[in-house]
Amino acid sequence: GAGVSQSPSNKVTEKGKDVELRCDPISGHTALYWYRQRLGQGLEFLIYFQGNSAPDKSGLPSDRFSAERTGESVSTLTIQRTQQEDSAVYLCASSLAGTSVRITDTQYFGPGTRLTVL
Amino acid sequence: QKEVEQNSGPLSVPEGAIASLNCTYSDRGSQSFFWYRQYSGKSPELIMSIYSNGDKEDGRFTAQLNKASQYVSLLIRDSQPSDSATYLCAVNIKYGNKLVFGAGTILRVKS
Repeated sequence: GAGVSQSPSNKVTEKGKDVELRCDPISGHTALYWYRQRLGQGLEFLIYFQGNSAPDKSGLPSDRFSAERTGESVSTLTIQRTQQEDSAVYLCASSLAGTSVRITDTQYFGPGTRLTVL
Repeated sequence: QKEVEQNSGPLSVPEGAIASLNCTYSDRGSQSFFWYRQYSGKSPELIMSIYSNGDKEDGRFTAQLNKASQYVSLLIRDSQPSDSATYLCAVNIKYGNKLVFGAGTILRVKS
């Protein structure tokens, strides 16, 4: 594919509702990452997939957050019972390869999903 | 101490000048370093990656890495107004593919 795509681009939801965010990585990229960026702040790591397994979930802020990935393709990030503090831009990135001894592949970012919880 | 630190700025430079952006990191074992540019309301885009000590040049951009001092910098020569953006430093922390991003430095290039 041309690049990382994410959908929806914008999502407005009411507090307490569940939301699903989707990420399509670059074709052939085995690694996929989710980040959160609050307004005016840096990127906050959420979770990393190598294929369809998630060796690092350390950044998920609570058990309301979960993510899954189908093979080396689409990933969905689900936020249950959304709270106002979940409002942010959720960015997905992919890279060609995953684990390598201490070397990190370049990550390419999608356009993000702007989530607003009212 | 934050894992990756950047001066938030804004850093203001006149058009045509050299902009110097700095980043320090805490994990002495880090091996991969990246500079991303992020325009307001857009996603980060890769500017440079660097893995070895020294300088790496790409067009108007030069990344400098000093592992002994645990800092990485980005120089932008002949700065243009279109370079005005937030510059994010990213470093792999500990083993594997986890990148930790600094909070970013806002650069403003004035014509």
